[in-house]
Amino acid sequence: QVQLVESGGGVVQPGGSLRLSCAASGFTFLSYGMHWVRQAPGKGLEWVAFIRPLGDEMYYADSVKGRLTISRDNSGSTLYLQMNSLRPEDTAIYFCAKDSTYWAFDYWGQGTLVTVSS
Amino acid sequence: QSALTQPASVSESPGQSITISCSGTSSDIGSYDHVSWYQQHPGKAPKLMIYEVTRRPSGVSNRFSGSKSGNTASLTISGLQAEDEADYFCCSFAGTTWVFGGGTKLTVL
Repeated sequence: QVQLVESGGGVVQPGGSLRLSCAASGFTFLSYGMHWVRQAPGKGLEWVAFIRPLGDEMYYADSVKGRLTISRDNSGSTLYLQMNSLRPEDTAIYFCAKDSTYWAFDYWGQGTLVTVSS
Repeated sequence: QSALTQPASVSESPGQSITISCSGTSSDIGSYDHVSWYQQHPGKAPKLMIYEVTRRPSGVSNRFSGSKSGNTASLTISGLQAEDEADYFCCSFAGTTWVFGGGTKLTVL
């Protein structure tokens, strides 16, 4: 069965950096695009970034462009999100999600909490 | 990348039907049939309920259905059950980005 397990969340000061990981299993990782989606406490979902199966193209939300970088290691079936120049408004649960190939998110991890605070 | 517009909350009695609207623009819902809907229970990850406007993933009850007209998509839940009480989010592909709605809290009275 498909499993996505995020890790790497924590508390970081404004301006700081963090790298999130998402370990994937139960499907052929290199055949699917992957996303990061976040949810601020008590708020709605916000799409963050997408990476194509071979990692040759990435798309970002305007709110994170230039600060967050999505990448993947297909040999290790792992998705990453490098987060730099973090701001308090980046505080959220970060979910990794598998792309369904129909422009939807068909499997989600349990999320990892990132808190940006001094 | 403005969020899609959903009603903040809806409520209905068990056994009845409800429809949740999701209003977008000609840059997202109006241009693509790549609309999806997600159900989220408190403290849980979202679950895909509808994709490509009308298609249901395997295992999702046929009480859930989707539609689209112009720049507005809709999710209909028939025969409401207690376990349907949750937050529902719409989402649309928008070229090189995806945009979510603000979410609708469904209360089953």
